[in-house]
Amino acid sequence: NAGVTQTPKFRVLKTGQSMTLLCAQDMNHEYMYWYRQDPGMGLRLIHYSVGEGTTAKGEVPDGYNVSRLKKQNFLLGLESAAPSQTSVYFCASSYIRQYEQYFGPGTRLTVT
Amino acid sequence: GEDVEQSLFLSVREGDSSVINCTYTDSSSTYLYWYKQEPGAGLQLLTYIFSNMDMKQDQRLTVLLNKKDKHLSLRIADTQTGDSAIYFCAEGLSGGSYIPTFGRGTSLIVHP
Repeated sequence: NAGVTQTPKFRVLKTGQSMTLLCAQDMNHEYMYWYRQDPGMGLRLIHYSVGEGTTAKGEVPDGYNVSRLKKQNFLLGLESAAPSQTSVYFCASSYIRQYEQYFGPGTRLTVT
Repeated sequence: GEDVEQSLFLSVREGDSSVINCTYTDSSSTYLYWYKQEPGAGLQLLTYIFSNMDMKQDQRLTVLLNKKDKHLSLRIADTQTGDSAIYFCAEGLSGGSYIPTFGRGTSLIVHP
């Protein structure tokens, strides 16, 4: 039981490049989330999903897209990376009506 | 709107008690959580309390909830260097669309 895994762990992009971050969970959770963590800002919700095939915007969705084609995977896409997207990205998952979120180890992204 | 406030830093001596405080604004919050983030890792749930409780104790951890003042605290007894981490307070609502709100996190530094 691996829990929540994220790929890649580190990435450096140039401004304007695109990339996809992959989150996978093996706990059969319905809910999945993408957060970004910046110094002094805590966690900010980017997008989330309440089930396979569904996505919704969070607090800071601009510049990101997501897809949940399979229940166990939640993808976060950056179409045209900007330096403001330099951050640590965390994926999390939870059961419906269960109140603990399980977090992945994070992806550290630097955009130059 | 929802907002969760925490102080950013707390420094204590090893063996002393630590008290981390949090205030929240949404009086309909049903669950309140404490997460711990160790360096370079994702968040892990430490403990949680239902809004119909005033206190919860779990080994060295004591959570106090003052619903009237919307104030939550986490007390760590006999603080150890391994307790050094960032502690996040989060509030959540019951119901099908559970999206928690996190505070900015309190960095706890434990020195010998």
